[in-house]
Amino acid sequence: DTEVTQTPKHLVMGMTNKKSLKCEQHMGHRAMYWYKQKAKKPPELMFVYSYEKLSINESVPSRFSPECPNSSLLNLHLHALQPEDSALYLCASSQVEGNYGYTFGSGTRLTVV
Amino acid sequence: GENVEQHPSTLSVQEGDSAVIKCTYSDSASNYFPWYKQELGKRPQLIIDIRSNVGEKKDQRIAVTLNKTAKHFSLHITETQPEDSAVYFCAASSQGTSGTYKYIFGTGTRLKVLA
Repeated sequence: DTEVTQTPKHLVMGMTNKKSLKCEQHMGHRAMYWYKQKAKKPPELMFVYSYEKLSINESVPSRFSPECPNSSLLNLHLHALQPEDSALYLCASSQVEGNYGYTFGSGTRLTVV
Repeated sequence: GENVEQHPSTLSVQEGDSAVIKCTYSDSASNYFPWYKQELGKRPQLIIDIRSNVGEKKDQRIAVTLNKTAKHFSLHITETQPEDSAVYFCAASSQGTSGTYKYIFGTGTRLKVLA
């Protein structure tokens, strides 16, 4: 298995909702990432997990809460989001944290209404 | 802070011609330079990468060159085909003072290959 699987593919949520994005990989990668991508822009790093521990938090608002339950799974819990949080949320993984190529998932297209 | 400049922002070429995209980075500690291709509505995919101890790397129609002194690197695509049409992102990776690694992405180049 050489893929990163993200669910759901699309999500519409209200500003008072709580939802979660899920990411799964079975390549044995020990680094996993959350990125946010706005239209026609490069991906922006949000969080890095290395060996299931949070390694980088790019000063992301607390309404985004990451979780890494095990080496194959990465979640992003969403609460009280704003319309400007609407974007494509990409999960990625790499062998370990370091100078390695990333395998990206197909993303979750999130719309906050 | 660190940044990566990428040019041009859009590039149109005739099918069969070559395309060149250039990136310049600011952090001299950067030592890994991947290139990603993102087709419309799809995930970014790694197409080629180069490490700082290598000056050039080639994979079929795609090549990347690195000039460490000038702190720039370039993607070269030869014999372009319509399926090469996509947005291409360069990135530079380095280890920060806290020991963590981070990519800095360029702003992207939209390549259109005209049939």
